[in-house]
Amino acid sequence: NAGVMQNPRHLVRRRGQEARLRCSPMKGHSHVYWYRQLPEEGLKFMVYLQKENIIDESGMPKERFSAEFPKEGPSILRIQQVVRGDSAAYFCASSSFFENTEAFFGQGTRLTVV
Amino acid sequence: SQQGEEDPQALSIQEGENATMNCSYKTSINNLQWYRQNSGRGLVHLILIRSNEREKHSGRLRVTLDTSKKSSSLLITASRAADTASYFCAPMDSNYQLIWGAGTKLIIKP
Repeated sequence: NAGVMQNPRHLVRRRGQEARLRCSPMKGHSHVYWYRQLPEEGLKFMVYLQKENIIDESGMPKERFSAEFPKEGPSILRIQQVVRGDSAAYFCASSSFFENTEAFFGQGTRLTVV
Repeated sequence: SQQGEEDPQALSIQEGENATMNCSYKTSINNLQWYRQNSGRGLVHLILIRSNEREKHSGRLRVTLDTSKKSSSLLITASRAADTASYFCAPMDSNYQLIWGAGTKLIIKP
């Protein structure tokens, strides 16, 4: 049972380009969370998704950021027209929808905007 | 999501000593989880304590939870150099979302 898979591990984009980050949850998990971690800071919640639904996007910037978790395939975090301030590590976690279960994290995608 | 708070922000101790990290939160929770993050790496789940539990052990780890004070502590006994990492507590709120703080940076000196 593979863990949470994120790809790419490292992504370099020029300002103004688009960044697409992928997250494949653990088998059997239908809940995905995205977090952003700035250098030397803790994790900041971005969005919580279930299959085909956004449950809570209160941590997502209002512009340029979007997320989806389609019925088939990985969850995608999309950042349009990236800026230097978007440089961070983006972590995805998945869990099954049972109370008192842990969330499993991927290794993260380190986005660098140049 | 409201953030939890870890205390202290940084902790440096000698190898072999015990390390205690504290966590406070603001909302009601289903459970509270502790994670470790080695520099530049992903997060590793350490231990989960349910809201109706007061203490839990796993190897050299001991976690306590006081829901009346909305606080938890993580104790690492007989610390090792490999324990050097950032430690995050993540309360899971009633909406099943994890609430994160900035973490405690633990350094174990040989």
